[in-house]
Amino acid sequence: GQNIDQPTEMTATEGAIVQINCTYQTSGFNGLFWYQQHAGEAPTFLSYNVLDGLEEKGRFSSFLSRSKGYSYLLLKELQMKDSASYLCAVVSGGYQKVTFGIGTKLQVIP
Amino acid sequence: GAVVSQHPSRVICKSGTSVKIECRSLDFQATTMFWYRQFPKQSLMLMATSNEGSKATYEQGVEKDKFLINHASLTLSTLTVTSAHPEDSSFYICSAVGRGSLIGADTQYFGPGTRLTVL
Repeated sequence: GQNIDQPTEMTATEGAIVQINCTYQTSGFNGLFWYQQHAGEAPTFLSYNVLDGLEEKGRFSSFLSRSKGYSYLLLKELQMKDSASYLCAVVSGGYQKVTFGIGTKLQVIP
Repeated sequence: GAVVSQHPSRVICKSGTSVKIECRSLDFQATTMFWYRQFPKQSLMLMATSNEGSKATYEQGVEKDKFLINHASLTLSTLTVTSAHPEDSSFYICSAVGRGSLIGADTQYFGPGTRLTVL
C-alpha cells in the first residue's frame, strides 16, 4: 500500500516564505507531483520531481529525497492568492498510478 | 498549454437516474485519462484509469457496473454514473496525459471538474 503524509493546515504571513512537507511510503516510486487546488476547483500543476534535489520555478520550488521518502514545496514572497490547498501526489507502480495526499490547506494572512 | 474540458460543470439529478460526464482533451491526444472523485474536505481519490480503445482499470472498491467509463477516442472519455444515489454526490474530476508521454510521468492535465448533486 501507499502512505502519504502532509500537514492538514498551515498559516503564513503575506510576503513570507512557507515550506510544506510531504513524506511518503510506497513501492515502485516513479515521481512526485505538487498541485495547487482552490476550493471548488480542479487541481493545477505546480511541479513534478523524479530525481533528488531542488527544482525552482519562480516563487515556487520543490525538493525531493527519494532515499528519505520526503519532499517539500517552498513558496516565497507569499501572496494572498496563494491561499489554497497544496496536494502532494506520488506516482508509483507499473502503470504509473497517482495517489494523492490529503492536502495542506494554506492560509495567507496580511 | 494543454487544456482539458469537462461537461457539464454542474448537474443535479433525481435519485435513480443516470448521469454522463464528458472529458475532452482540446489540443492534444490523450492516450490515458484518469477519473477522480473528491468528497468535501477530502483528497482526490482515483476511481479508474481509462486507456483509449480498451477497458478501463478500476480501483479497488469502485463498482465498474455503476461507474461506466468509455474512452472512445484519443480526445474523449466519458463517465456515466448509473442509478445515481445521494451518496454519489461529489466532485468528479478527469485528467489526461498526452501521447508521447509516459503514463503519469509527464504532467497530468486536469479538467475543471463536475459537481454532481443527487437529490
